[in-house]
Amino acid sequence: IAGITQAPTSQILAAGRRMTLRCTQDMRHNAMYWYRQDLGLGLRLIHYSNTAGTTGKGEVPDGYSVSRANTDDFPLTLASAVPSQTSVYFCASSEGDGGTDTQYFGPGTRLTVL
Amino acid sequence: GQNIDQPTEMTATEGAIVQINCTYQTSGFNGLFWYQQHAGEAPTFLSYNVLDGLEEKGRFSSFLSRSKGYSYLLLKELQMKDSASYLCAATDSNYQLIWGAGTKLIIKP
Repeated sequence: IAGITQAPTSQILAAGRRMTLRCTQDMRHNAMYWYRQDLGLGLRLIHYSNTAGTTGKGEVPDGYSVSRANTDDFPLTLASAVPSQTSVYFCASSEGDGGTDTQYFGPGTRLTVL
Repeated sequence: GQNIDQPTEMTATEGAIVQINCTYQTSGFNGLFWYQQHAGEAPTFLSYNVLDGLEEKGRFSSFLSRSKGYSYLLLKELQMKDSASYLCAATDSNYQLIWGAGTKLIIKP
């Protein structure tokens, strides 16, 4: 593994189902982030983690949860998916926990909720 | 409120120069990033400015004016592979990034 990986690449999901998007980094970065990207809108922060064991809410956290049990993994869970959660989801990481560090992005997960 | 504004789309000719502008309003400011994103791919880092002035990196340069809440990305000697979206992002008082919607740059031969 080199950098950040995300799984699955894409998924079609029925409304009401539970879904976990996986994110793993091998750079030993302290901070990790989950964004969603929708057409015509900028990347919007869902949740973040400044270090293993801690998480925080971003701009659009409702309907999503995260955990950070170790440095490498930062899964994003949709407890009960709704069509408005149709989006492209990007995981990112940075060496430091401040917003002044470069963020490195995974390839993204394209999620469609029907 | 917090806001990042950049043009939705720009068109330029191969070999030419193009300037993509970004204005920002954030509650506290700790730096400005530019990222490149090709269609269907992840954003990749281009530049970071925290002090006023111009930062040059090969064919790409980025400028910041903190007093005006303004930045631009300058791309020289445009190549077809520069066709992409360019994302402007400013750091807010919580040290999180606020992102613009991106400028889609179309390069014509």
